[in-house]
Amino acid sequence: QSMLTQPPSTSGTPGQRVTISCSGTSTNIGSNPLIWYQQFPGTAPRLLIHSNIKRPSGVPDRFSGSKSGTSGSLAISGLQSEDEAEYYCSAWDDSLNGPVFGGGTKLTVL
Amino acid sequence: QVQLQESGPGLVKPSETLSLTCTVSGGSIHSYYWSWIRQPPGKGLEWVGYVYFTGSTNSNPSLKSRVTISVDRSKNQFSLQLTSMSAADTAIYYCAGYSSGSYSWWGRGALVTVSS
Repeated sequence: QSMLTQPPSTSGTPGQRVTISCSGTSTNIGSNPLIWYQQFPGTAPRLLIHSNIKRPSGVPDRFSGSKSGTSGSLAISGLQSEDEAEYYCSAWDDSLNGPVFGGGTKLTVL
Repeated sequence: QVQLQESGPGLVKPSETLSLTCTVSGGSIHSYYWSWIRQPPGKGLEWVGYVYFTGSTNSNPSLKSRVTISVDRSKNQFSLQLTSMSAADTAIYYCAGYSSGSYSWWGRGALVTVSS
């Protein structure tokens, strides 16, 4: 059972803006930065957003993150077919003293 | 650019112990937390545990009694041992490096199947 809650799936058409939500608790998102990973089938996850809003080099600025209280979201603007992937949110959990992950959201580009 | 590579058996018998090693290249294992994260087929990510370069460790309470994670600084490697393997432990096991609050570096993953 995942400790962070994400919708299992979402979809959008090319050019559209989509958002993926992530909900946690005071011991994880509420007190630590929110992180997002992108995973394509058969490959390892890739860091997409860290420190709530920061993009590693190489990540397009179409991807943006936000956080408020114990929840946050990932937004993808100008949706492209290559964005079709699984997206996971994550945060350090102070009670676990380790990271927790959401169950993943499968993004389909129609 | 830091790179990680998992190595170990792809098939483990029920009740046996899984041993995996992660080799870190392109950077030093000194500093950072080094973790094992697993992903059952078609499912999400689960943190298994981590080791700091000093050797201190922590693991997921759901697995704690079965997990041992260690580091070999001289070889730039860290390892996972998971005892009493069962079908529920069948998964892709990733090694990953934790830097600045996130897993910046990931191995390609090692599929481990538990079957007799």
